[in-house]
Amino acid sequence: NAGVMQNPRHLVRRRGQEARLRCSPMKGHSHVYWYRQLPEEGLKFMVYLQKENIIDESGMPKERFSAEFPKEGPSILRIQQVVRGDSAAYFCASSPTGVAEQYFGPGTRLTVT
Amino acid sequence: GDSVTQMEGPVTLSEEAFLTINCTYTATGYPSLFWYVQYPGEGLQLLLKATKADDKGSNKGFEATYRKETTSFHLEKGSVQVSDSAVYFCALSGSVSGNTPLVFGKGTRLSVIA
Repeated sequence: NAGVMQNPRHLVRRRGQEARLRCSPMKGHSHVYWYRQLPEEGLKFMVYLQKENIIDESGMPKERFSAEFPKEGPSILRIQQVVRGDSAAYFCASSPTGVAEQYFGPGTRLTVT
Repeated sequence: GDSVTQMEGPVTLSEEAFLTINCTYTATGYPSLFWYVQYPGEGLQLLLKATKADDKGSNKGFEATYRKETTSFHLEKGSVQVSDSAVYFCALSGSVSGNTPLVFGKGTRLSVIA
């Protein structure tokens, strides 16, 4: 059973460009979570999605950030007009229904120049 | 809101030394508790978990006991190895039976020297 997959692993964007981060959950997992990790910090929750629904986006900035998890295909975290402060590692996690633990992907390391 | 506090690092130990990383939490209700480990350049791996008071999670020689009276979930290992060098995160989930976002501590970096 393949684990959580994220791509790209590394992404470099210039200020003002858009960043698209993709996450494919583990097979059989319908719950997806996105977290952001700043250097030397813990992970901060951003958004929680199920297929075609955003369940909780309380940790996601209201501007420039959006997320989706379509019926077919991976979950996408989209950052428009990136700024230097968006440079971080973005991790996706998934879980099956009714299970508290989450399984993490390898992360996408975004660098904004 | 819910929160997790863990001891700050870095922690440097010699091989075969005893390891303790302290973790305390604040939560309403009855959270599930976790330890995750992150090796350099990688994602987080679930190390162990406990879902109710007095449960002991264990894996790869690591142990942690869910102490409701002290709201703690300290990580221990009797004899560390160089390969245990990593960052360790304590985390909680506010719901034992459902799907909720995890709340993480800031992480503790462990370096084990031969």
